[in-house]
Parts: sequence; C-alpha cells; structure tokens
Amino acid sequence: GAGVSQSPSNKVTEKGKDVELRCDPISGHTALYWYRQSLGQGLEFLIYFQGNSAPDKSGLPSDRFSAERTGGSVSTLTIQRTQQEDSAVYLCASSLGGVGDTQYFGPGTRLTVL
Amino acid sequence: QKEVEQDPGPLSVPEGAIVSLNCTYSNSAFQYFMWYRQYSRKGPELLMYTYSSGNKEDGRFTAQVDKSSKYISLFIRDSQPSDSATYLCAGGGGTSYGKLTFGQGTILTVHP
Repeated sequence: GAGVSQSPSNKVTEKGKDVELRCDPISGHTALYWYRQSLGQGLEFLIYFQGNSAPDKSGLPSDRFSAERTGGSVSTLTIQRTQQEDSAVYLCASSLGGVGDTQYFGPGTRLTVL
Repeated sequence: QKEVEQDPGPLSVPEGAIVSLNCTYSNSAFQYFMWYRQYSRKGPELLMYTYSSGNKEDGRFTAQVDKSSKYISLFIRDSQPSDSATYLCAGGGGTSYGKLTFGQGTILTVHP
C-alpha cells in the first residue's frame, strides 16, 4: 500500500516568510510524528498527534512553529516568519498508534531559508 | 549531553567486511530500541527493532542491546556496497508517547 507522503519535497523561501509543510500518513495510522533533521544533527522530535489531538508538543522550538491534524489524517506543519536556522529536512512519520509501534517515515521536505 | 550518543563517522569499509555501529544512551526509561537506515535524500526506514537486552538477528544484521551499560550495537556481516547509507539508532518508551530519541547517525560507505 501507499506509504507516508510529504509535500513539497523541496521548499526554498526567503527569511521572514511563512511556510506550510504537508504530511499524508499511512491510511489507518492514528499516530503521527514530526521530526526535524538538521545538517550534522540526528532527528529531533517536534510534535506528536494521536488522532487530531497533540498531547506532546514539547519539541517545537519556538512559538513560530505550529501544527494541526484534521480528520485524523493529513497534518500540516506551519513555520511563521522563517529564519535561516529553520533550514532543515522536516520528516513526518506515522504508526498504528500504540506506544512502541513501528514508525514509518515519509521522504521529508527539504526547507531552505535564504 | 545528548540522550543518545552516536559516532557520526564517516566509516569506510571494503565489501565483505563486518561492520560494527554503536550508540550509548542515558535515559533509563527507554524500553525499546531501533536502528533505521537512511539513504541519501530519502526518509529513514526501520532496519531492526529490539525490546529488551540481548541479541536479535535478521539475515546479515544483528542488533544487540545491553541495558545495564546503556549500550546498543548493530553488526552488519558480509557488507555490500548497497549497505552504504546513514545508520540511525533510536530509543523510546517510558512516558514518551512513543516519540523516538535519535542519535546523530553514522555515515557508512562500503566500497567494492
């Protein structure tokens, strides 16, 4: 079946602009995670959704970052007033929903802030 | 100090070599551990999943967890050029809602 998809695959924006990144999880997966991968860094957790709720937002680096999930499916990560340090690959993963269930990753969105 | 420490390498080995990749972690709450493989410009894919101390083998890959020393390893036997990728270790569990904490990743190149 279809895996996790993300769009766009690449995004180049100017400093100060807002961007929206989209994630389509595997059908039936109730858990959805956003991670960020910066050059020389491992994956850093950003936010976790169970259904449409986000019980763990502890990884969001600032109030410029927000995310939502609708219909228990698609999720959007929004970064307002982008800064150069926001440049990274943003990865989305989904799982069946139990703690410890395998997380399946999408290909990521490569964000470059000029 | 990061919760999961991993030597970023890079590591370069000849085809057929045995590769050893290692991570240490500091969070005693971790209950399960994963190794992901990530090819260039792709998302990570799960390679091995272990829930307790001990060894788990899958083909050419063996994952080892030692919770007493907070040490996890991945061994690759008869390495192939197609194994060239970044290998990420991760821990999860406790009250983490299932989120994973990753190491920095080790870049591996297997040359023919």
